[in-house]
Amino acid sequence: DAKTTQPTSMDCAEGRAANLPCNHSTISGNEYVYWYRQIHSQGPQYIIHGLKNNETNEMASLIITEDRKSSTLILPHATLRDTAVYYCIVRGNYGGSQGNLIFGKGTKLSVKP
Amino acid sequence: DGGITQSPKYLFRKEGQNVTLSCEQNLNHDAMYWYRQDPGQGLRLIYYSQIVNDFQKGDIAEGYSVSREKKESFPLTVTSAQKNPTAFYLCASSIGNRIYTEAFFGQGTRLTVV
Repeated sequence: DAKTTQPTSMDCAEGRAANLPCNHSTISGNEYVYWYRQIHSQGPQYIIHGLKNNETNEMASLIITEDRKSSTLILPHATLRDTAVYYCIVRGNYGGSQGNLIFGKGTKLSVKP
Repeated sequence: DGGITQSPKYLFRKEGQNVTLSCEQNLNHDAMYWYRQDPGQGLRLIYYSQIVNDFQKGDIAEGYSVSREKKESFPLTVTSAQKNPTAFYLCASSIGNRIYTEAFFGQGTRLTVV
């Protein structure tokens, strides 16, 4: 089962920041938080991942709370093309099946003009 | 260009027939995965392979079979034993089954049983 909880859906105005929350209260010390997104009828696309420090790349920023029990993915200037389902995934590093990506239902983000 | 390719994009099968979905990658990745997605649902892991000639069952392996004879290829066979085969199938690969490597996904094959 997925180890994360996300809202089912969110709306965001075009040009504004989209903040997508994720709860992972049972995360263990060496588990990473990964974010992927899936645009309708396409394969998921990797966005970003982190352990405990905040991370930023050309797509997004990832803010992880100090206790690591929750995180927020930030799309700084959302566009219509960012409309997708966003998946927050906790991934173990024990090797074998613990390293596999386990997807929940994600958050459907709708960016509106 | 490097990437992961699934074919065909759409596939129709008669009930009771086996069908094989292709997945090829030229990223030199060791690990490959097959997922199934049903409408409105997340992805569920069918099979994964961490190295050539080795593969493991995922959460929903019943009615499916795979092979990993070459590093680049990880075909999935949907057998007649799979009771509800109509779904969107996604293949992925990663450098290895390690914590710090992201997985790259193909564009999927939509299988419909008619």
